[in-house]
Amino acid sequence: QVQLQASGPGLVKPSGTLSLTCTVSGGPIVITNWWSWVRQPPGKGLEWIGEIYHSGGTNYNSSLKSRVTISVDKFRNQFSLELRSVTAADTAVYYCAREASTGDPGYWGQGTLVTVSS
Amino acid sequence: QLVLTQPPSASASLGASVKLTCTLSSGHSRYAITWHQQQPEKGPRYLMILNSDGSHSKGDGVTDRFSGSISGAERYLTISNLQAEDEAVYFCQTWDSAIRVFGGGTKLTVL
Repeated sequence: QVQLQASGPGLVKPSGTLSLTCTVSGGPIVITNWWSWVRQPPGKGLEWIGEIYHSGGTNYNSSLKSRVTISVDKFRNQFSLELRSVTAADTAVYYCAREASTGDPGYWGQGTLVTVSS
Repeated sequence: QLVLTQPPSASASLGASVKLTCTLSSGHSRYAITWHQQQPEKGPRYLMILNSDGSHSKGDGVTDRFSGSISGAERYLTISNLQAEDEAVYFCQTWDSAIRVFGGGTKLTVL
């Protein structure tokens, strides 16, 4: 079964850069599915941040596009998130996920809490 | 603009059935969606993809008590024989060529 594990610092200073990596196990990252980052501020709903295809193609939420970069490392079966110039409003649980496609189910990682604070 | 609308709350009794609704914005009535479950203090879990023809395909280990259906721009998740562990927030998600959006979620209370 496919599993996703997000990892990275749990505390980032204001104006700094949030960096997370998602490691995919139980299946290849080179498949016909997109790989996403999603976040959830405390007590709120889900916000899609952006996605990447194994070829490197990306799509981003327009509200975050100027601050976000998502990249993929096919050889390590990983994809990563970089969010620059963070503020307290970026404090959230960050999830990585495999998006569903016809014939292929979706999967979520367990999430990692990132707090922006000095 | 691609938007998903969900009622904020729903409730039903143990052992009963409940039908949760996710409404696609005008002009997007033929879009597929996915349903996700988030139990208290847990991360989301993928439930199913619900296609525009009404067919659906469930995720790993998702019980047959969960099913999906459509009517026009409405997308439904029906949970039968409600169990205590079904108490959760249910999110729908859809996508266009370059964006994905989530509905606000429906908090289901099992009475």
